[in-house]
Amino acid sequence: LAKTTQPISMDSYEGQEVNITCSHNNIATNDYITWYQQFPSQGPRFIIQGYKTKVTNEVASLFIPADRKSSTLSLPRVSLSDTAVYYCLVGPRMNTGFQKLVFGTGTRLLVSP
Amino acid sequence: DAGVIQSPRHEVTEMGQEVTLRCKPISGHDYLFWYRQTMMRGLELLIYFNNNVPIDDSGMPEDRFSAKMPNASFSTLKIQPSEPRDSAVYFCASSLVGSSTDTQYFGPGTRLTVL
Repeated sequence: LAKTTQPISMDSYEGQEVNITCSHNNIATNDYITWYQQFPSQGPRFIIQGYKTKVTNEVASLFIPADRKSSTLSLPRVSLSDTAVYYCLVGPRMNTGFQKLVFGTGTRLLVSP
Repeated sequence: DAGVIQSPRHEVTEMGQEVTLRCKPISGHDYLFWYRQTMMRGLELLIYFNNNVPIDDSGMPEDRFSAKMPNASFSTLKIQPSEPRDSAVYFCASSLVGSSTDTQYFGPGTRLTVL
């Protein structure tokens, strides 16, 4: 499994753009990058998944450089409700051979007024 | 869909008692996962099932833990006997292989306290 490294915590203010970078130097060819969000007292929730370049949905964008050794989750114009822990996970798609997802410690984002 | 349903939401028991946690996955999903989350160890995968069959239980801490999935709509995680170090939040998640994003959908969790 590719090991991931992400900042333990980040602080931001409402309305700002937040970028959380995850390093995964030993990512394998068939690995995808997935981000989950977890609010206190809730289970993790899928945010976005990508393989290369850029992926965007209604919640976030995911930027993946050509070498795929890192990725950046971008949250536009955060609000107080975006305060949560964000996990970066790397692994193959389940239909190519499931591997355990390792959630790690995640990045604790605190958004202040 | 109601999402993944777990019961009970909170459980307080005494050391040595049997504890049974329950999970109803999202209808049609073919994978089911049991996780445990603590401050010290984070989120750990305990066991997962594919089409009701246990595939990998290497994350189960010891023989006191057991999990079953008698049908596609129900799974249990049992701890017998329970110990204080089992106190944690236990999450159940389900997924559909072949879906566009491999998303795991998590339930609300069961907060277990063993006194």
